[in-house]
Order: sequence, then structure tokens, then C-alpha cells
Amino acid sequence: AQSVTQLGSHVSVSEGALVLLRCNYSSSVPPYLFWYVQYPNQGLQLLLKYTSAATLVKGINGFEAEFKKSETSFHLTKPSAHMSDAAEYFCAVSRSGGYQKVTFGTGTKLQVIP
Amino acid sequence: NAGVTQTPKFRILKIGQSMTLQCTQDMNHNYMYWYRQDPGMGLKLIYYSVGAGITDKGEVPNGYNVSRSTTEDFPLRLELAAPSQTSVYFCASSYFKDRVNTEAFFGQGTRLTVV
Repeated sequence: AQSVTQLGSHVSVSEGALVLLRCNYSSSVPPYLFWYVQYPNQGLQLLLKYTSAATLVKGINGFEAEFKKSETSFHLTKPSAHMSDAAEYFCAVSRSGGYQKVTFGTGTKLQVIP
Repeated sequence: NAGVTQTPKFRILKIGQSMTLQCTQDMNHNYMYWYRQDPGMGLKLIYYSVGAGITDKGEVPNGYNVSRSTTEDFPLRLELAAPSQTSVYFCASSYFKDRVNTEAFFGQGTRLTVV
């Protein structure tokens, strides 16, 4: 079975500080990994995805994530937080690239402090 | 380009009532999905469809039914509403072919309260 664990349901950072949102996955076969962002009262939007090409994946809005097989991790980072980054972020894993098998994490709410 | 459209945005149901959550997409995607989102619980897959006429259960299908008569539409039916079905429901779609999938596009969600 596949699963993802997001460490920290709430993360607070100061504006301009590094954003680090943690995600660890469990999968018996090479995974596809995703990060989504959800702004208040909106649907989910794909930030970036890993599909076994480059291990460092760049996404929208300055976010990136690095796939580390040895650590089974796919942490999301952004060098400098902006107020507009305040949202909920979901890590997700899939085994085949077919979204019917995507398993979502419980989400991390990011608060950006001015 | 509207993307994925869900209606209604909000609804209050009484226990035992029935309703249909509508979902339509205009991107000619073959895959469509229904998720529910409960606070602190992530997203749970209810049902999905890989094409018109084909549906399958997800992780939490009990109490729900779906149909996919066209590529565009994927309604979710609640037959006998229960308080446990209070949640935010998201419809999503994607295009999958030859083991390659586009990103999933989500609707804005339907906030359902059962009282």
C-alpha cells in the first residue's frame, strides 16, 4: 500500500524566510509524487510533480521539491516566503501516474507572518 | 475555458434527504474523480471514472452513487443523507493515456452540511 505523511499540520514562517514543508512517502514501487496548494474556499491546484525524471522538481510560484529515495522524502521548499503563500499544502503519491491511485496527505497549513 | 465546474457551492440537507452534486468539465478529460475533504483528514477518493460508462469505487464509496453517461459529466448522488456525510466535496478530472497523465484539475468544491 502507498501512503504519505506530512509532518506538521501547521507551519508558521516570517515573510522572507525559508519555507520547508515535509513529506515522507511509502510505496512498494517507484512512486509518482505531487504537491498541491489549496487557497481558502478554492479547489486544489498542482504546484509540481515528480515522475522519475530529474530529482529536483521546480514548480510554480518559486516552489521546488527534491525527491530523495534514500530518505523516502519529497519535501517542498521556497527560499523566501511571501504573504500570498499562505495556504494549505497537500503532498500526494501515486504508483502508476494514474490519478485514481493518488493518495493524499492530511495537509499542512502555512501561515506567513508579516 | 471553464475547467471543472461544480454545483451547488453550498447545501444544507436534512437527515434522510437525497441530492445530486453536479460536476462537468470541458477539457475532454477521460478520467474524473470525486473526493471528500474532512478537516485534518486530507482527501479521500469516493468514486472515479476512466471514461464514459465506466465507474469504480474509491476508498470511501458507502452512501454514494455515481454515473458517467457522457465524457463531460460525472454527478455524485447521495441517497439517504447522514451527518457523517457532512464534508467538502471536490470533483477533479485528468487526461490519462499510455501511462502518461496530465495534472488533475479540481473544481471549487461543494460544502455540504447534513443536519
